[in-house]
This record gives sequence, C-alpha cells and structure tokens, in this order.
Amino acid sequence: DAGITQSPRHKVTETGTPVTLRCHQTENHRYMYWYRQDPGHGLRLIHYSYGVKDTDKGEVSDGYSVSRSKTEDFLLTLESATSSQTSVYFCAISEFGGQGEQYFGPGTRLTVT
Amino acid sequence: DQQVKQNSPSLSVQEGRISILNCDYTNSMFDYFLWYKKYPAEGPTFLISISSIKDKNEDGRFTVFLNKSAKHLSLHIVPSQPGDSAVYFCAADSGAGSYQLTFGKGTKLSVIP
Repeated sequence: DAGITQSPRHKVTETGTPVTLRCHQTENHRYMYWYRQDPGHGLRLIHYSYGVKDTDKGEVSDGYSVSRSKTEDFLLTLESATSSQTSVYFCAISEFGGQGEQYFGPGTRLTVT
Repeated sequence: DQQVKQNSPSLSVQEGRISILNCDYTNSMFDYFLWYKKYPAEGPTFLISISSIKDKNEDGRFTVFLNKSAKHLSLHIVPSQPGDSAVYFCAADSGAGSYQLTFGKGTKLSVIP
C-alpha cells in the first residue's frame, strides 16, 4: 500500500471556524489531490498539486484553499466552515499525473454543525 | 454535466456468478480509464485500468472492456466472491497535461453467499 496518511481522521467543528486537514505521503510522488465524497456525487476533485508550491483548482474549489510547502505534505483549509462542507475528504497521490493511477488515503470524516 | 456516468447505483449477484458493472462517458478526449473499489470507512483502491488503444484488459478475475465508439466500458468480475462486495467507481483521464481523474458516482455491488 502507498504510504499516505491523513489527519485528523474524524473532526467535528462549528460553522464559521477554520479547519485544516493534512495529507502526508512517504512515496515522494509529485502529484497530490484532495477530493470530497458525498452521497449521490461520487468523488469530486477540490484542488490538486503538481509540485511544491504548484497548485490548481478542481471541480468544487469554492470555500477551500490548499498549500504545499514540501513534497510530502498537502494541506486543505476551510477558511470558514459551512454545513455544506460536511463530507468525507480523501487525499490521493500519483507519480505521473495524467495516465497514472492515483492512490488514496484513508479519508477524513468532517462534520460541520 | 456529468461526463462519467454509472447509471446503476446498486447491483446484487450470487456468489460464483459474473458481476458486470457498466460505465458510460461523454467526453471524447478521455483516453485512459480506471476502476476503483471502495470498502466502507476506507479510501478507494485501484483495481484495473485500460488505455483507449485497447479494447480489453484482464487481471485475474477482473476484466475491463472498452467500446470507444459507444463510449462505454464495463468491468466483469468472474467468479464473484463475497469479498467483492464494495462500491465500484469508474474514472476517466483525458491524458497528458490533464492531471485529473473524473469519477462516476459509483455502483454498490453486493455478492450474496
């Protein structure tokens, strides 16, 4: 299994508070991704990174920001959490980007009350 | 507009029989396709992939078929086992420079002993 960890694994927070989720990899893969999974929507891409300090928006990026200061860490921040951001968040890594498999972390279940 | 569609939310199959999961896509730029399997409370795991230059790829009990003219792919599992019970996601990649996978909403497979 690819070495990907996510922290925290579970979090409950209140509307309006900032939240940061962390993804850490030990594979030295260049590409990293943040997805959210919601019933009836499958997996939707929030943001991705194609190198240190190189990031871009995905399909559902509104309300989220990311940072990647080291190859191994990719942070997802909700500046002011809303109930619509209650979801399961998955980080993924890929060695080659396009045409390559992505390997997923175990997920973070976030509840915004 | 959903570019990758899995029109069957669920599928039940008897143990030992064939499971066929279907996926349709609309974007003719997609040229690489992947299937992921997901158990509850875990991240998706890569199962099998196929390039658009092929029409079939086989790996043990799993075979993926691609019909480019119909923009359709299917995953066959033979024989089905109870441990195959999971949600299966179809994903598509539009090739070099895209960095992104587009996922379907998933099909929940239940294999009945």
